[in-house]
Amino acid sequence: EAAVTQSPRNKVTVTGGNVTLSCRQTNSHNYMYWYRQDTGHGLRLIHYSYGAGNLQIGDVPDGYKATRTTQEDFFLLLELASPSQTSLYFCASSDPGHHSGNTLYFGEGSRLIVV
Amino acid sequence: QQKVQQSPESLTVSEGAMASLNCTFSDGTSNNFRWYRQHSAKGLEVLVSIFSDGEKEEGRFTAHLNRANLHVSLHIREPQPSDSAVYLCAVSPTNSAGNKLTFGIGTRVLVRP
Repeated sequence: EAAVTQSPRNKVTVTGGNVTLSCRQTNSHNYMYWYRQDTGHGLRLIHYSYGAGNLQIGDVPDGYKATRTTQEDFFLLLELASPSQTSLYFCASSDPGHHSGNTLYFGEGSRLIVV
Repeated sequence: QQKVQQSPESLTVSEGAMASLNCTFSDGTSNNFRWYRQHSAKGLEVLVSIFSDGEKEEGRFTAHLNRANLHVSLHIREPQPSDSAVYLCAVSPTNSAGNKLTFGIGTRVLVRP
């Protein structure tokens, strides 16, 4: 079954630490996204990509890097983690050319705590 | 910038009663609307998509869109305890890539047996 898989599901790191969140999709979708979800803010787009090697900035990109190595794999990098980056992170994929359009298919989330 | 607001913030309904959720948006050119469900800190699943004024039904979930009133609603028929979740409205101007998608904060629904 097509899916979006994230790892790790839970992570605790210290301020200034280095974190990589991984996402793999088996939907054969071109677009992949990283969102963060915080109480009172809803889902906010960090970065997205429309193919291997491509990266686009979203609405809240500061403090985050991302890399799309293959069509399937999209990584979110926090090189100097700060407590403000404590959040629930979601990866998603979509295929605008498909009849489902920009329906996003989400992973189960990665909870990051920065202490 | 698109603003999407949902009401109520939370809703408690009895099993079998109709649940109604509201979503208002600010960009009148929007023509792409989706309702997602999120169970307790898990991923989101799409319930229903609607692209033109009127009604769209997917099983027990029905979306109503009135773009003139900048309003889209979700009605859950015969809700079950397993429908207890946060429901998110998502709006975008066209059927384009998700970078234009704006989410509401959500309505938390509790279905009592």
